Amino acid sequence: KNEVEQSPQNLTAQEGEFITINCSYSVGISALHWLQQHPGGGIVSLFMLSSGKKKHGRLIATINIQEKHSSLHITASHPRDSAVYICAAMPNFGNEKLTFGTGTRLTIIP
Amino acid sequence: GAVVSQHPSRVICKSGTSVKIECRSLDFQATTMFWYRQFPKQSLMLMATSNEGSKATYEQGVEKDKFLINHASLTLSTLTVTSAHPEDSSFYICSARRAGPTYEQYFGPGTRLTVT
Repeated sequence: KNEVEQSPQNLTAQEGEFITINCSYSVGISALHWLQQHPGGGIVSLFMLSSGKKKHGRLIATINIQEKHSSLHITASHPRDSAVYICAAMPNFGNEKLTFGTGTRLTIIP
Repeated sequence: GAVVSQHPSRVICKSGTSVKIECRSLDFQATTMFWYRQFPKQSLMLMATSNEGSKATYEQGVEKDKFLINHASLTLSTLTVTSAHPEDSSFYICSARRAGPTYEQYFGPGTRLTVT
C-alpha cells in the first residue's frame, strides 16, 4: 500500500465545475506539496502547506494534519487546468525526501 | 515566486555519448537540489540529493558513476548521464530547496532525454 494515496485517479469534468482532488497519507509529515504536471511533462509547484489552507487564484489547498488528509480544490475549472496533479509528503523537517502520490489525471471538457 | 529552470528541455543523443543537464535556481539560493527520474505514467523517483560544495547522496540502485552530479554553486547543479544507453531515456526533473528554514522545494520543468 502506497504511503500517499490520491483519489480519484482520473477525473473528467465540464468547464466551470468545482474540482476536488484528495490526498491521504499514512505517515507522519511536516508538510505536503501539491504539484501540477502538464501533458508535455513540465512540473509546476502549486503549494507547500503544513497546516490550514492556502489560496492562489482559483486554486485552494487545505490540510488536516490530525486526519492525515489534504485536498486541492479548483474553482471555475477551465480546460487549461487539464493536467496531472500530484501530492507529495515531506516526512519531517530535516528529512526532505518527498513521498509522492500516484497522481490524479484531470480533464476539463469545454 | 521561486523559479527553477532546466536546460535543455529536450535532448536526443546517440548511445555511448554523455549528456549534461543543468538545473538553476533563478531568483533564490538553493542549498540543496534533488534529481528525479520519471518513467511514462509513473511517479517521480528520487535519484540523488546534492548539497552545494559536497558530494551528492545517491539513492539505492542509482549508479553514481553513470549519473554524475555536481552542485558547484548555490544556484546551479548539473546531472551528467555518461555513456548513455537507450534505457536511460526518461524525463529528468530537478527541484531546489530554498536556503532558510522553510524547506520549500521548487521544481524545474524537466528535461526529456532520448537516447538512440
